[in-house]
Amino acid sequence: KNQVEQSPQSLIILEGKNCTLQCNYTVSPFSNLRWYKQDTGRGPVSLTIMTFSENTKSNGRYTATLDADTKQSSLHITASQLSDSASYICVVSARIAGNQFYFGTGTSLTVIP
Amino acid sequence: ETGVTQTPRHLVMGMTNKKSLKCEQHLGHNAMYWYKQSAKKPLELMFVYNFKEQTENNSVPSRFSPECPNSSHLFLHLHTLQPEDSALYLCASSQERSMNTDTQYFGPGTRLTVL
Repeated sequence: KNQVEQSPQSLIILEGKNCTLQCNYTVSPFSNLRWYKQDTGRGPVSLTIMTFSENTKSNGRYTATLDADTKQSSLHITASQLSDSASYICVVSARIAGNQFYFGTGTSLTVIP
Repeated sequence: ETGVTQTPRHLVMGMTNKKSLKCEQHLGHNAMYWYKQSAKKPLELMFVYNFKEQTENNSVPSRFSPECPNSSHLFLHLHTLQPEDSALYLCASSQERSMNTDTQYFGPGTRLTVL
């Protein structure tokens, strides 16, 4: 069964600190993996996308890694800011009938001053 | 802004009401999607339109009826909903459904409450 599991479910960190969010998946055949940021009351916004051959991708203070062998990905946030408070969703795409998307339940991050 | 707008942003309706959600994208995309987002659950894909043709319907109850009059507009018609249908309904668009690295752009969502 194709699944995406994210951990932790929620996280609280102090402003300026770093944190790492995890995503494990069992999706096959793997096409690509995306991380989305969803602010409260808004739709998800894409942060990074990685295909099978890519093992790291950065977007400002966000760095995503991918280990396609162990089927794990992480999102590292450096020098967190209050505006990083949001839900972070891992989405894995499978090459089935065009492109099927499998969503994680997200990690809720709260950055406190 | 992502280039995808949704109206209304909030909707409260009774179980016997009929209402419609509207989505519009200004990105020149050819694929549009409806998702349901419930608390502590992954996003659930409801419908997919590619070049104005419905290509996917993920076993959604008939009380939800989509309409795509052109590639820029998408509607979700609602009738005789149940309280468990209360959720955030997200619209998204992308260049084309079958592209390998197709990225979806989401609207802000409509928060629906069914009484």
